[in-house]
Amino acid sequence: EDKVVQSPLSLVVHEGDTVTLNCSYEVTNFRSLLWYKQEKKAPTFLFMLTSSGIEKKSGRLSSILDKKELFSILNITATQTGDSAIYLCAEDSGGSNYKLTFGKGTLLTVNP
Amino acid sequence: DGGITQSPKYLFRKEGQNVTLSCEQNLNHDAMYWYRQDPGQGLRLIYYSQIVNDFQKGDIAEGYSVSREKKESFPLTVTSAQKNPTAFYLCASRSDGRISQANQPQHFGDGTRLSIL
Repeated sequence: EDKVVQSPLSLVVHEGDTVTLNCSYEVTNFRSLLWYKQEKKAPTFLFMLTSSGIEKKSGRLSSILDKKELFSILNITATQTGDSAIYLCAEDSGGSNYKLTFGKGTLLTVNP
Repeated sequence: DGGITQSPKYLFRKEGQNVTLSCEQNLNHDAMYWYRQDPGQGLRLIYYSQIVNDFQKGDIAEGYSVSREKKESFPLTVTSAQKNPTAFYLCASRSDGRISQANQPQHFGDGTRLSIL
Protein backbone atom coordinates (compact mmCIF):
# COMPACT_ATOMS: atom_id res chain seq x y z
CA GLU A 1 0.00 0.00 0.00
CA ASP A 2 1.34 3.44 -0.96
CA LYS A 3 2.42 5.60 1.92
CA VAL A 4 2.14 8.88 0.01
CA VAL A 5 -0.82 9.31 -2.33
CA GLN A 6 -1.16 12.21 -4.72
CA SER A 7 -4.25 13.26 -6.61
CA PRO A 8 -5.11 13.82 -9.29
CA LEU A 9 -2.45 11.89 -11.21
CA SER A 10 -2.86 14.24 -14.15
CA LEU A 11 -4.61 17.52 -14.77
CA VAL A 12 -5.08 19.74 -17.83
CA VAL A 13 -6.05 23.39 -17.38
CA HIS A 14 -6.00 26.66 -19.30
CA GLU A 15 -3.73 29.58 -18.57
CA GLY A 16 -5.13 31.73 -15.81
CA ASP A 17 -6.89 28.88 -14.03
CA THR A 18 -6.22 28.08 -10.37
CA VAL A 19 -5.29 24.52 -9.49
CA THR A 20 -5.12 22.55 -6.25
CA LEU A 21 -2.94 19.46 -5.98
CA ASN A 22 -3.45 17.01 -3.14
CA CYS A 23 -1.10 14.82 -1.13
CA SER A 24 -2.04 12.45 1.70
CA TYR A 25 0.53 10.63 3.84
CA GLU A 26 0.94 8.19 6.70
CA VAL A 27 1.66 9.42 10.17
CA THR A 28 4.45 7.08 11.26
CA ASN A 29 7.28 9.22 12.68
CA PHE A 30 6.33 12.19 10.52
CA ARG A 31 8.91 14.95 10.40
CA SER A 32 8.09 17.02 7.30
CA LEU A 33 6.26 17.07 3.98
CA LEU A 34 8.05 18.34 0.89
CA TRP A 35 6.89 19.52 -2.52
CA TYR A 36 9.06 19.45 -5.64
CA LYS A 37 8.49 20.58 -9.25
CA GLN A 38 9.97 18.41 -12.01
CA GLU A 39 10.06 19.71 -15.57
CA LYS A 40 12.33 17.66 -17.78
CA LYS A 41 15.19 16.78 -15.48
CA ALA A 42 15.97 17.55 -11.85
CA PRO A 43 13.14 17.97 -9.35
CA THR A 44 13.47 21.45 -7.88
CA PHE A 45 12.54 22.10 -4.28
CA LEU A 46 9.41 24.18 -3.64
CA PHE A 47 8.31 23.88 -0.01
CA MET A 48 9.00 22.03 3.22
CA LEU A 49 6.11 21.89 5.67
CA THR A 50 6.46 20.86 9.28
CA SER A 51 3.70 22.68 11.14
CA SER A 52 -0.02 22.36 10.66
CA GLY A 53 -2.03 25.32 9.39
CA ILE A 54 0.90 27.56 8.46
CA GLU A 55 0.79 28.50 4.80
CA LYS A 56 4.03 28.74 2.88
CA LYS A 57 3.97 31.01 -0.15
CA SER A 58 6.24 31.71 -3.08
CA GLY A 59 4.80 33.95 -5.77
CA ARG A 60 1.74 32.25 -7.23
CA LEU A 61 2.42 28.99 -5.39
CA SER A 62 1.33 28.23 -1.86
CA SER A 63 1.09 25.14 0.27
CA ILE A 64 -0.37 24.14 3.61
CA LEU A 65 -0.24 21.09 5.84
CA ASP A 66 -2.98 19.50 7.92
CA LYS A 67 -1.38 17.13 10.42
CA LYS A 68 -4.70 16.07 11.89
CA GLU A 69 -6.14 14.90 8.57
CA LEU A 70 -2.70 13.87 7.23
CA PHE A 71 -2.69 15.79 3.98
CA SER A 72 -1.18 18.75 2.22
CA ILE A 73 -2.29 20.85 -0.71
CA LEU A 74 -0.32 22.82 -3.26
CA ASN A 75 -2.15 25.73 -4.85
CA ILE A 76 -1.11 27.49 -8.03
CA THR A 77 -3.02 30.63 -8.95
CA ALA A 78 -3.14 32.32 -12.37
CA THR A 79 -1.41 29.35 -13.97
CA GLN A 80 1.05 29.87 -16.83
CA THR A 81 2.36 27.45 -19.46
CA GLY A 82 5.65 27.42 -17.56
CA ASP A 83 3.87 25.76 -14.65
CA SER A 84 3.48 22.61 -16.75
CA ALA A 85 5.44 19.93 -14.91
CA ILE A 86 5.18 16.93 -12.62
CA TYR A 87 4.61 18.00 -9.03
CA LEU A 88 6.02 15.56 -6.50
CA CYS A 89 5.08 15.26 -2.86
CA ALA A 90 7.38 13.47 -0.41
CA GLU A 91 7.20 12.56 3.25
CA ASP A 92 10.20 12.61 5.55
CA SER A 93 9.19 10.04 8.12
CA GLY A 94 11.88 10.75 10.67
CA GLY A 95 14.95 8.79 11.64
CA SER A 96 18.57 9.84 11.34
CA ASN A 97 18.78 9.02 7.63
CA TYR A 98 16.25 11.61 6.36
CA LYS A 99 14.86 9.20 3.77
CA LEU A 100 12.04 10.54 1.63
CA THR A 101 9.03 8.54 0.46
CA PHE A 102 7.62 10.00 -2.74
CA GLY A 103 4.15 9.91 -4.18
CA LYS A 104 3.65 9.11 -7.87
CA GLY A 105 3.34 12.76 -8.79
CA THR A 106 0.72 14.92 -10.47
CA LEU A 107 1.32 15.75 -14.13
CA LEU A 108 0.03 19.29 -14.68
CA THR A 109 -0.44 20.56 -18.22
CA VAL A 110 -1.28 24.24 -18.69
CA ASN A 111 -2.56 25.06 -22.17
CA PRO A 112 -2.40 28.58 -23.63
CA ASP B 1 28.44 27.40 -8.97
CA GLY B 2 27.65 24.70 -6.43
CA GLY B 3 25.55 21.80 -7.55
CA ILE B 4 25.10 18.14 -8.28
CA THR B 5 26.48 16.76 -11.53
CA GLN B 6 25.32 13.48 -12.96
CA SER B 7 26.94 11.84 -15.96
CA PRO B 8 26.37 10.68 -18.55
CA LYS B 9 22.96 12.14 -19.44
CA TYR B 10 22.13 9.08 -21.56
CA LEU B 11 23.53 5.56 -21.23
CA PHE B 12 22.91 2.31 -23.05
CA ARG B 13 23.52 -1.09 -21.55
CA LYS B 14 24.04 -4.36 -23.34
CA GLU B 15 22.84 -7.66 -21.96
CA GLY B 16 25.12 -8.98 -19.20
CA GLN B 17 26.96 -5.69 -18.84
CA ASN B 18 27.57 -3.65 -15.70
CA VAL B 19 27.38 0.11 -16.08
CA THR B 20 28.31 2.88 -13.65
CA LEU B 21 26.48 6.18 -13.25
CA SER B 22 28.43 9.08 -11.84
CA CYS B 23 27.20 11.56 -9.23
CA GLU B 24 29.42 14.38 -7.97
CA GLN B 25 28.47 17.27 -5.67
CA ASN B 26 30.44 20.33 -4.58
CA LEU B 27 27.90 21.47 -1.98
CA ASN B 28 29.83 19.91 0.91
CA HIS B 29 26.76 17.81 1.68
CA ASP B 30 27.16 14.80 3.92
CA ALA B 31 24.25 12.69 2.73
CA MET B 32 23.74 11.40 -0.80
CA TYR B 33 20.92 9.37 -2.33
CA TRP B 34 20.12 7.42 -5.50
CA TYR B 35 16.58 7.15 -6.84
CA ARG B 36 15.02 5.40 -9.76
CA GLN B 37 12.07 6.99 -11.58
CA ASP B 38 9.76 4.98 -13.84
CA PRO B 39 6.72 6.41 -15.63
CA GLY B 40 3.77 6.57 -13.24
CA GLN B 41 5.87 5.28 -10.33
CA GLY B 42 7.30 8.37 -8.68
CA LEU B 43 10.82 8.16 -7.21
CA ARG B 44 11.99 5.01 -5.45
CA LEU B 45 15.08 4.92 -3.23
CA ILE B 46 17.89 2.57 -4.31
CA TYR B 47 20.76 3.38 -1.92
CA TYR B 48 21.77 6.20 0.38
CA SER B 49 24.87 7.27 2.25
CA GLN B 50 25.11 9.59 5.23
CA ILE B 51 28.87 9.58 5.60
CA VAL B 52 32.00 8.54 3.74
CA ASN B 53 32.63 4.78 3.67
CA ASP B 54 29.10 3.99 4.80
CA PHE B 55 25.92 3.37 2.83
CA GLN B 56 22.55 1.68 3.31
CA LYS B 57 20.11 -0.15 1.05
CA GLY B 58 16.94 1.62 0.10
CA ASP B 59 13.67 0.07 -1.01
CA ILE B 60 14.86 -1.39 -4.34
CA ALA B 61 18.59 -2.15 -3.91
CA GLU B 62 18.64 -5.55 -5.66
CA GLY B 63 20.80 -5.49 -8.79
CA TYR B 64 22.59 -2.28 -7.80
CA SER B 65 25.78 -1.43 -5.92
CA VAL B 66 27.36 1.80 -4.68
CA SER B 67 30.52 3.12 -3.07
CA ARG B 68 31.27 6.26 -1.06
CA GLU B 69 35.03 6.67 -0.95
CA LYS B 70 34.89 10.47 -1.10
CA LYS B 71 32.40 12.91 0.37
CA GLU B 72 31.66 14.51 -3.00
CA SER B 73 31.17 11.30 -5.01
CA PHE B 74 28.53 8.54 -4.87
CA PRO B 75 28.66 6.35 -8.02
CA LEU B 76 25.93 3.81 -8.74
CA THR B 77 26.65 0.56 -10.59
CA VAL B 78 23.77 -1.14 -12.35
CA THR B 79 24.78 -4.79 -12.49
CA SER B 80 23.70 -7.51 -14.89
CA ALA B 81 21.53 -8.86 -12.06
CA GLN B 82 19.17 -5.90 -12.52
CA LYS B 83 16.82 -7.38 -15.13
CA ASN B 84 14.81 -4.24 -15.80
CA PRO B 85 17.30 -1.37 -15.67
CA THR B 86 15.58 0.96 -18.15
CA ALA B 87 14.67 4.03 -16.11
CA PHE B 88 15.59 7.59 -15.22
CA TYR B 89 18.14 7.66 -12.39
CA LEU B 90 18.35 10.65 -10.06
CA CYS B 91 21.03 11.45 -7.53
CA ALA B 92 20.36 13.77 -4.61
CA SER B 93 22.32 15.23 -1.73
CA ARG B 94 21.49 16.92 1.52
CA SER B 95 23.22 18.94 4.19
CA ASP B 96 22.90 17.32 7.59
CA GLY B 97 21.99 20.65 9.16
CA ARG B 98 24.65 20.55 11.83
CA ILE B 99 25.43 24.22 11.36
CA SER B 100 21.97 25.64 10.72
CA GLN B 101 20.26 23.19 13.12
CA ALA B 102 17.37 23.19 10.64
CA ASN B 103 15.93 20.33 8.64
CA GLN B 104 17.29 20.62 5.10
CA PRO B 105 15.67 19.42 1.86
CA GLN B 106 17.32 17.09 -0.63
CA HIS B 107 18.56 18.66 -3.87
CA PHE B 108 18.74 16.74 -7.13
CA GLY B 109 21.01 16.35 -10.14
CA ASP B 110 19.72 16.41 -13.71
CA GLY B 111 19.54 12.62 -13.97
CA THR B 112 20.83 9.85 -16.22
CA ARG B 113 18.50 8.04 -18.59
CA LEU B 114 19.51 4.38 -18.92
CA SER B 115 18.23 2.16 -21.71
CA ILE B 116 18.80 -1.43 -22.79
CA LEU B 117 20.33 -2.11 -26.20
